[in-house]
Amino acid sequence: QVQLVQSGAEVKKPGSSVKVSCKASGGTFSSYAISWVRQAPGQGLEWMGGIFPIFGTANYAQKFQGRVTITTDESTSTAYMELSSLRSEDAAVYYCARAPSFSSWDYYYNGMDVWGQGTTVTVSS
Amino acid sequence: DIQMTQSPSSLSASVGDRVTITCRASQSISRYLNWYQQKPGKAPKVLIYAASSLQSGVPSRFSGSGSGTDFTLTISSLQPEDFATYYCQQSYSTPWTFGQGTKVEIK
Repeated sequence: QVQLVQSGAEVKKPGSSVKVSCKASGGTFSSYAISWVRQAPGQGLEWMGGIFPIFGTANYAQKFQGRVTITTDESTSTAYMELSSLRSEDAAVYYCARAPSFSSWDYYYNGMDVWGQGTTVTVSS
Repeated sequence: DIQMTQSPSSLSASVGDRVTITCRASQSISRYLNWYQQKPGKAPKVLIYAASSLQSGVPSRFSGSGSGTDFTLTISSLQPEDFATYYCQQSYSTPWTFGQGTKVEIK
């Protein structure tokens, strides 16, 4: 049974960067994609991007292009999401989520079936 | 980007009620539509994928239908544990986008 365990809460200053980790246990890490989804306080869900280790490259939402970097370390089955130039609007809970049976970011016929517990990022001066 | 619009934004219902939530896409997404349930302070949980396929372990009172631009999530008999916020999400093209959510509250 795959589990995703995320790193702990972060408090960051505006203009700085944050790097959140997502460690997978169980399953074959390279056989599925990892997405990053965030949720601002009291708001809905927002997909930031994702990565499929076999492809080696990440797919980012245009909104975050240039500010977000998603990587993986297959040796530790860990995915990372780094967001730079933080502003107050980036305060949110950040989730990683598994996309199983993955082949392409377009025309993907599954839901994200395993989620991390979420990491709260606070942005405050 | 494909816009996903859910209705209603919130609803009040009683245990045992049949509940229907709709989701409309701004363009055709075939059947690349998923439904999630989220409870306060918890991560979302997938209920339905590919518009109408029930995720393993999800009770059969949940069902999904639709294709193209219009989709429906139905809870046939609302249970106490179903009071939550529900989101639709398209996986037809990136960026994957979610509806704004529908909060199901106790009447």
